[in-house]
Amino acid sequence: EVQLVESGGGLVKPGGSLRLSCVASGFSFNIYMLTWVRQAPGKGLEWVSSISTTGTNTFYSDSVKGRFTISRDSAKNSLDLQMTSLRAEDTAVYYCARVGSWNLDYWGQGTVVTVAS
Amino acid sequence: DIVLTQSPLSLPVTPGEPASISCKSSQSLLHSNGNNYLAWYLQRAGQSPHLLIYFASSRASGVPDRFSGSGSGTDFTLKIDRVEAEDVGIYYCMQTLHTPMFTFGQGTKLEI
Repeated sequence: EVQLVESGGGLVKPGGSLRLSCVASGFSFNIYMLTWVRQAPGKGLEWVSSISTTGTNTFYSDSVKGRFTISRDSAKNSLDLQMTSLRAEDTAVYYCARVGSWNLDYWGQGTVVTVAS
Repeated sequence: DIVLTQSPLSLPVTPGEPASISCKSSQSLLHSNGNNYLAWYLQRAGQSPHLLIYFASSRASGVPDRFSGSGSGTDFTLKIDRVEAEDVGIYYCMQTLHTPMFTFGQGTKLEI
């Protein structure tokens, strides 16, 4: 069974940093791209970042470019999102998802990030 | 950047009746290989989204056949033949033409 389990969310002050993790199981980790999608309270879905199978290529939305860094560790079957210079508008549920055949076929349950003073 | 516009944003339905959601793209999602790179998701309250339709009209595994997707180019539709109570939630379209950079529609809230 494919599982994606996020962790690392919490309350952080504006300008602070946080590192999210997503542990994957039930599939061959190394052959799938992975992505982060977020959802602000009461709002829709917003793509944040993606990473290639080897980690060589990374992609970011304009809203997080230069502040967030995506990475993956094949030894741990994990996906990370290092978030710095956090703003109130980064408050959201952050989901990791597997990039299937031209879609996001499996999603985690999400981890909540709150940026407030 | 591709912009996806869904309508309506709110859709009250009666169980057993059909429902239809539109998704219009600012750019064509039709690839030269003949595939339309558009997916549909349902997010039930308190849950993560799950995949319903990909390539505009292909049902994902386990999705009931009362769900169908159609359209090509810039205009797409998700139809539910006979709405059931478990279909309540927010439906999103998503472009996958620019994978791994994705864009979502605003979402359509289906309620009974």
